[in-house]
Amino acid sequence: EADIYQTPRYLVIGTGKKITLECSQTMGHDKMYWYQQDPGMELHLIHYSYGVNSTEKGDLSSESTVSRIRTEHFPLTLESARPSHTSQYLCASSASVGEAFFGQGTRLTVV
Amino acid sequence: DQQVKQNSPSLSVQEGRISILNCDYTNSMFDYFLWYKKYPAEGPTFLISISSIKDKNEDGRFTVFLNKSAKHLSLHIVPSQPGDSAVYFCAASAYRGAQKLVFGQGTRLTINP
Repeated sequence: EADIYQTPRYLVIGTGKKITLECSQTMGHDKMYWYQQDPGMELHLIHYSYGVNSTEKGDLSSESTVSRIRTEHFPLTLESARPSHTSQYLCASSASVGEAFFGQGTRLTVV
Repeated sequence: DQQVKQNSPSLSVQEGRISILNCDYTNSMFDYFLWYKKYPAEGPTFLISISSIKDKNEDGRFTVFLNKSAKHLSLHIVPSQPGDSAVYFCAASAYRGAQKLVFGQGTRLTINP
């Protein structure tokens, strides 16, 4: 069973607010990812990290930012939330090779 | 440019029969392929993988077939059970998973009793 956790599971927030989505893993994985998924659509990679102090933007442009100060922690921040940011955000981690393990996701709604 | 494609958005199968989900890819560098299962409001769960040195991998009711020349893979579930109803994502990576995963659009599988 994968040990990767995301909080909160659900978040409803007003436009213009700053939010941070938390993601932590206890598997010691170097690689961590953030994906964004809208209903019925594919998972789009928005950020990834290959280790501490390493972050890269993914294939889908996103106004969010990430940090990787500790191996186990990969938070995602939106400085000013907008309704267009409404989506499901999925965090994942993986070892050097092999499958990625996903957290349960955060369903974000910006009103 | 979609590198991993699942052309069937949905599939309906009778309980007990075989479910076949298909996936095509375009990037010749991909050498590691995975299938994930996803329930609504949850994260994807890893099901089964295959590397390009194989053409088949089996795990219980799940078998993945890889046709490198056609750049095509498929997931077979037999027998299908009601609990298999979910969205299935195909994913691919280069360098045995060392590179980031690229996902298809998903296929919604419904198993009818």
